[in-house]
Amino acid sequence: RKEVEQDPGPFNVPEGATVAFNCTYSNSASQSFFWYRQDCRKEPKLLMSVYSSGNEDGRFTAQLNRASQYISLLIRDSKLSDSATYLCVAFYNQGGKLIFGQGTELSVKP
Amino acid sequence: DAGVIQSPRHEVTEMGQEVTLRCKPISGHNSLFWYRQTMMRGLELLIYFNNNVPIDDSGMPEDRFSAKMPNASFSTLKIQPSEPRDSAVYFCASSPSGPTGELFFGEGSRLTVL
Repeated sequence: RKEVEQDPGPFNVPEGATVAFNCTYSNSASQSFFWYRQDCRKEPKLLMSVYSSGNEDGRFTAQLNRASQYISLLIRDSKLSDSATYLCVAFYNQGGKLIFGQGTELSVKP
Repeated sequence: DAGVIQSPRHEVTEMGQEVTLRCKPISGHNSLFWYRQTMMRGLELLIYFNNNVPIDDSGMPEDRFSAKMPNASFSTLKIQPSEPRDSAVYFCASSPSGPTGELFFGEGSRLTVL
């Protein structure tokens, strides 16, 4: 079983839709979590951190549930420019190791 | 500001040849990571260094792979001999000192082994 697992995707949604991605992690030693975005044939870039209390950045909301070992990303009012692959990441503070999920592909259509 | 710089951007080689990928991290960053990305397996952590010292190389596929970081501004990932299944995009990333989840990735080296 992979340490970080994500919805398989791809997600095909119309502009303006709300879309949610889920991610589970298996190692309870994971201490911090993040969402990265990767555009086609580009490098991954940090989108946002994920906190237990939930955090919001504009149209993006990230949530962490440590009891269920579950992370989510919600995108509201999706734009064409949101089309990308979204990667869930678990971080182990001890040693500084980051483990990436497989990624979920999002395609926003006009 | 210069980001993480990788070379070559693209490499096509024949099975059995030696491949060397290079990385220059962002100045002042203390941690350096090598990842491999394929469609089938996604992003896999191969090895990472902290202050030039290898911390975890458990992701290195086999003895054909080796990585070095002789100083704070340079790292190499070597594959010898290369095989077709090594074809992938290899990313180098660096991060600042202290526990942080933000990695700054290079643009990647796309390797094709024929």
